Amino acid sequence: DQQVKQNSPSLSVQEGRISILNCDYTNSMFDYFLWYKKYPAEGPTFLISISSIKDKNEDGRFTVFLNKSAKHLSLHIVPSQPGDSAVYFCAASEGGSQGNLIFGKGTKLSVKP
Amino acid sequence: DTGVSQDPRHKITKRGQNVTFRCDPISEHNRLYWYRQTLGQGPEFLTYFQNEAQLEKSRLLSDRFSAERPKGSFSTLEIQRTEQGDSAMYLCASSLEDRTYEQYFGPGTRLTVT
Repeated sequence: DQQVKQNSPSLSVQEGRISILNCDYTNSMFDYFLWYKKYPAEGPTFLISISSIKDKNEDGRFTVFLNKSAKHLSLHIVPSQPGDSAVYFCAASEGGSQGNLIFGKGTKLSVKP
Repeated sequence: DTGVSQDPRHKITKRGQNVTFRCDPISEHNRLYWYRQTLGQGPEFLTYFQNEAQLEKSRLLSDRFSAERPKGSFSTLEIQRTEQGDSAMYLCASSLEDRTYEQYFGPGTRLTVT
């Protein structure tokens, strides 16, 4: 059973517009949530994280929103740029001393010029 | 470049052969993680080290998989008697002990078992 779900396998957005990537989770014990970006043939690149005690974190063009009651988080990219085209993974930390991450299946974002 | 490095980037092997991958973490990171990613999936956690101690290995996929980090710096992941189902991207990540949620990944080793 998937604990982290990204239900949209792909998303296409026009350059300059907002990209919204969504993620749902089932485990209320997750203490951190993260977004990674991945280009083909490369490892995932850390983008932004949010603690479970917060509802928003912003870093430049990237903002992550967390809705704990709905067990939902989203990544907003404004404005979207063609270089943002990649696969975006949502991940959650199980907390405790272990710290391993649980990933969703990813959403492929295409930003068209 | 002070990021996570992995070697080799690609490995093609025949079924039944043993393979070993190396990971060099970010130097000040004492946590090191191994993940596997198959097509269409996100990375799947395998094992992790704190310094030289392997603190979780129950999620290694079978007893053919083993990992070491003998001096608390680089790590190796070995797969014995490879099977076609082992074909995947093997990813290494590292983090600080008090920021385990902020893991930095290497470029991965793509394994193809023929």
